[in-house]
Amino acid sequence: SQTIHQWPATLVQPVGSPLSLECTVEGTSNPNLYWYRQAAGRGLQLLFYSVGIGQISSEVPQNLSASRPQDRQFILSSKKLLLSDSGFYLCAWSVRRGLAGEKLFFGSGTQLSVL
Amino acid sequence: TQLLEQSPQFLSIQEGENLTVYCNSSSVFSSLQWYRQEPGEGPVLLVTVVTGGEVKKLKRLTFQFGDARKDSSLHITAAQTGDTGLYLCAVTPYQTGANNLFFGTGTRLTVIP
Repeated sequence: SQTIHQWPATLVQPVGSPLSLECTVEGTSNPNLYWYRQAAGRGLQLLFYSVGIGQISSEVPQNLSASRPQDRQFILSSKKLLLSDSGFYLCAWSVRRGLAGEKLFFGSGTQLSVL
Repeated sequence: TQLLEQSPQFLSIQEGENLTVYCNSSSVFSSLQWYRQEPGEGPVLLVTVVTGGEVKKLKRLTFQFGDARKDSSLHITAAQTGDTGLYLCAVTPYQTGANNLFFGTGTRLTVIP
């Protein structure tokens, strides 16, 4: 069966510090991978998605970047965090199902607080 | 401009009551998904609707896709405290092609015992 691991669960970082969040998927090959950010109790904003190694599409220009060094590894990074980077970050992988669209499986999320 | 609007934003009801939440857009979609998210966790897929007018039932939950495939509703019968959570609808717009899944603003449901 497929599993997705995301860590850390919580993170408190000072403004201007770097960031690295990691996500790995097991039990599937060549998944589509996603990073979303969620404001407190609200909908999800798509940040990045990847259809393969080294292939990253950015949806929102900002202070963050993503990389996919291996097929089942997706990393979210920042060189210098801003206060506005605080939020709940979710990694997800998907199976394409034609007209039924993407079926996403989410990690348990990382609550990032930038102080 | 928000692609998907969900209403109400917040809903608080007594256990045993019925409720309906909505997901609306001016765009047409090939499919629409509903997710439920509990605090501190990632969303979990509940259902996917594909055909205009389609109705799907998942125990006490009934999902309907609008005839024009622009909107959807989720009806919960005899709500239980375990139904508490954030309900999100999500779509892949025709015009973006590819693999993007856009989420609505969410309805936060609280079921009071």
